[in-house]
Amino acid sequence: EAQVTQNPRYLITVTGKKLTVTCSQNMNHEYMSWYRQDPGLGLRQIYYSMNVEVTDKGDVPEGYKVSRKEKRNFPLILESPSPNQTSLYFCASKRGLAGNTIYFGEGSWLTVV
Amino acid sequence: QQQVKQSPQSLIVQKGGISIINCAYENTAFDYFPWYQQFPGKGPALLIAIRPDVSEKKEGRFTISFNKSAKQFSLHIMDSQPGDSATYFCAASVRSGNNDMRFGAGTRLTVKP
Repeated sequence: EAQVTQNPRYLITVTGKKLTVTCSQNMNHEYMSWYRQDPGLGLRQIYYSMNVEVTDKGDVPEGYKVSRKEKRNFPLILESPSPNQTSLYFCASKRGLAGNTIYFGEGSWLTVV
Repeated sequence: QQQVKQSPQSLIVQKGGISIINCAYENTAFDYFPWYQQFPGKGPALLIAIRPDVSEKKEGRFTISFNKSAKQFSLHIMDSQPGDSATYFCAASVRSGNNDMRFGAGTRLTVKP
């Protein structure tokens, strides 16, 4: 089954404690990205990656890091989380540039206190 | 700056009624306009999409109407059912571009039995 799997699904953490949200896809997609969803703001892109070792900033990259060492994995790193990063996060993947259908994971609820 | 503006923010419709969600965009380079459907606790999933060379696309009870000159497109759900209750996101992208989708803020649809 085609899947984008992200973990953890739910996390409460404290300000400043580094955390990583993992993301893995089994569709051999070149393109992966991270979004955050906030009420009234929709889905905003944090970072994206067009292939292994190629990453770029989206619309709201401040406070986040990513890496793409393998094609299937695209972890999101919060080096020093702050309360304004409390949000619902989605990892997504799609086939290169020509394939436009985005496949989303089920989301990770992150609360920073 | 939101490149895709979506309205209404929430919508309540009676079972059997027509649900209409509207979106407007600014960037005339956009050439792909999908709608994503998100159920509670799940990631968004592609519902239906349209390219600007047609004015309407229908799939079952779901229809996209597209007005290129007005830079507007809308989703119509005919014979709305309680199972259609979800959040709907319109989006736009440039198919040949490097960046990803620009999403609207979302519409929470509730269909009352």
